Amino acid sequence: DAKTTQPPSMDCAEGRAANLPCNHSTISGNEYVYWYRQIHSQGPQYIIHGLKNNETNEMASLIITEDRKSSTLILPHATLRDTAVYYCIVRVAGGNAGNMLTFGGGTRLMVKP
Amino acid sequence: GAVVSQHPSRVICKSGTSVKIECRSLDFQATTMFWYRQFPKQSLMLMATSNEGSKATYEQGVEKDKFLINHASLTLSTLTVTSAHPEDSSFYICSAPPLSGEQFFGPGTRLTVL
Repeated sequence: DAKTTQPPSMDCAEGRAANLPCNHSTISGNEYVYWYRQIHSQGPQYIIHGLKNNETNEMASLIITEDRKSSTLILPHATLRDTAVYYCIVRVAGGNAGNMLTFGGGTRLMVKP
Repeated sequence: GAVVSQHPSRVICKSGTSVKIECRSLDFQATTMFWYRQFPKQSLMLMATSNEGSKATYEQGVEKDKFLINHASLTLSTLTVTSAHPEDSSFYICSAPPLSGEQFFGPGTRLTVL
């Protein structure tokens, strides 16, 4: 799996948008960008994933640059409950259950009142 | 989304004892489950891949005789930490991918070895 680089920590004011960047300059053409988050002392939670088009769901938006070498996860209106470590992972998607996830250091997002 | 459960959520044991952790996929079948370990303020590290009907695959540096994995059915995998020692104290997390390939994680088991 391609390696990702994320800032170790970020702060965000409650109610504001949180923009979390991720660099994945060695991503392959068949690798997707996945985002998970881990709230303290819980298992990771899937957020969103995409290949090359921007994606949006009820939790977040994912913006992928045209060259696919970086992406940004956007939480449009951050709440205190969004405080967590956010992991950006690139991997081949699909029905192959053998593709485990390789976690990097992630970004520790602190949402402040 | 799919649900994965773990039991127990927290366990404290004496050094030298064995501890079994269960991971269940509640609403889907999983031929493969993954076991991760997470030490404080560190990221998740894959320990092993649990395969239904065959032996588990262990990552480099993980002792297969110490961390016994049994994938008893399409909805259950167990991790047994044998002869646990304080350095085995950690947060153990399992995950399972449904046929869609996405991964869903259990809530984790915090093991404390005294």
